[in-house]
Amino acid sequence: NAGVTQTPKFRILKIGQSMTLQCAQDMNHNYMYWYRQDPGMGLKLIYYSVGAGITDKGEVPNGYNVSRSTTEDFPLRLELAAPSQTSVYFCASSDGTGKFGQPQHFGDGTRLSIL
Amino acid sequence: GDSVTQMEGPVTLSEEAFLTINCTYTATGYPSLFWYVQYPGEGLQLLLKATKADDKGSNKGFEATYRKETTSFHLEKGSVQVSDSAVYFCALSDLGGGADGLTFGKGTHLIIQP
Repeated sequence: NAGVTQTPKFRILKIGQSMTLQCAQDMNHNYMYWYRQDPGMGLKLIYYSVGAGITDKGEVPNGYNVSRSTTEDFPLRLELAAPSQTSVYFCASSDGTGKFGQPQHFGDGTRLSIL
Repeated sequence: GDSVTQMEGPVTLSEEAFLTINCTYTATGYPSLFWYVQYPGEGLQLLLKATKADDKGSNKGFEATYRKETTSFHLEKGSVQVSDSAVYFCALSDLGGGADGLTFGKGTHLIIQP
């Protein structure tokens, strides 16, 4: 019962490098989300997707890109890493928007440091 | 827009103490309300939820009641354990049913001392 799987768990990048954070879910959920969590700031939504081929910006999308070619996978791309992107990144999925109580299911996170 | 305000932490209690973590929200109608818990090094897990006014969500000894009149969803537990040490997040659904879904509070760090 894997749920939401994120890789890698930890990564250190140099300024200007690029990388892709992987996220996969095996619950056949249409809705997927990427958040960043900074100390004392809660979760901020970066991008979300309502299904394969459809993505949209959240609250803090600058510096990131996403794609959704399959229902299962929702990778997050950092093109030119900056120190401000040092954070913990969480991927989540859901079978609904939450309006009727559908919860989001979270992965264990990717801890990213930009030096 | 929607917002969630929860008490600042850290909250430090002794084992077997009574716990209350306050959560209030701002919304134009009747959102669904959630409490999530995050243990060290892990992602968020759903703790409990309520989808309409006066509903009580409960799980693992924790309870919260959806209070429309005070726009609150306070988390309570009668006797906390060391294993309850974690960060707790209050959240609400987007009223319009938009896919950007949940609005989270900033989290409350709970520390239970033996």
